[in-house]
Amino acid sequence: GQQVMQIPQYQHVQEGEDFTTYCNSSTTLSNIQWYKQRPGGHPVFLIQLVKSGEVKKQKRLTFQFGEAKKNSSLHITATQTTDVGTYFCAGTSGGSYIPTFGRGTSLIVHP
Amino acid sequence: DGGITQSPKYLFRKEGQNVTLSCEQNLNHDAMYWYRQDPGQGLRLIYYSQIVNDFQKGDIAEGYSVSREKKESFPLTVTSAQKNPTAFYLCASRTGGSTGELFFGEGSRLTVL
Repeated sequence: GQQVMQIPQYQHVQEGEDFTTYCNSSTTLSNIQWYKQRPGGHPVFLIQLVKSGEVKKQKRLTFQFGEAKKNSSLHITATQTTDVGTYFCAGTSGGSYIPTFGRGTSLIVHP
Repeated sequence: DGGITQSPKYLFRKEGQNVTLSCEQNLNHDAMYWYRQDPGQGLRLIYYSQIVNDFQKGDIAEGYSVSREKKESFPLTVTSAQKNPTAFYLCASRTGGSTGELFFGEGSRLTVL
């Protein structure tokens, strides 16, 4: 079945440094979504990417979908303590309506 | 306010007892999902339902059961057959037949003593 690998599992940064998490799928995706889960909270939708090579920005967050639609990345510029949490990608492939989640990357920001 | 409500937030049970976790949504969504979250494991799909009176097994359905008698409600029962039930359980919903945003409840943390 479809697998979505996400790296790294953890990332420690100093406040102000940049951060990137990567997702790779074993199959071509029809779309990929990104979610953020704050410590003790529940996942909250950030964005969805659909087109090959798509790039979307939300303030300091940049999301990319690979040309082959098998990988994606989330980049945060100049991290802040409010960015702390676990970031998940979730990919959907073929005619399925069921997203497969990566294991998540936990971001720890040191002030 | 529209949203998804899960209850209880915290639940303690003894081994061998069945427990039922509630999930109610007023978003008029057809599709509902149950995920299990363990540290470092991400979200694993237990069951999903695309429409009332129909549901399908996910990747880790063994030891769990669900029902979908109403559009708004998708309760999950963790049975005594589930070998390692201590986990954080998340319910989600979205518009049926779509691959759009999943809306999550706040979760239920089950601890089996």
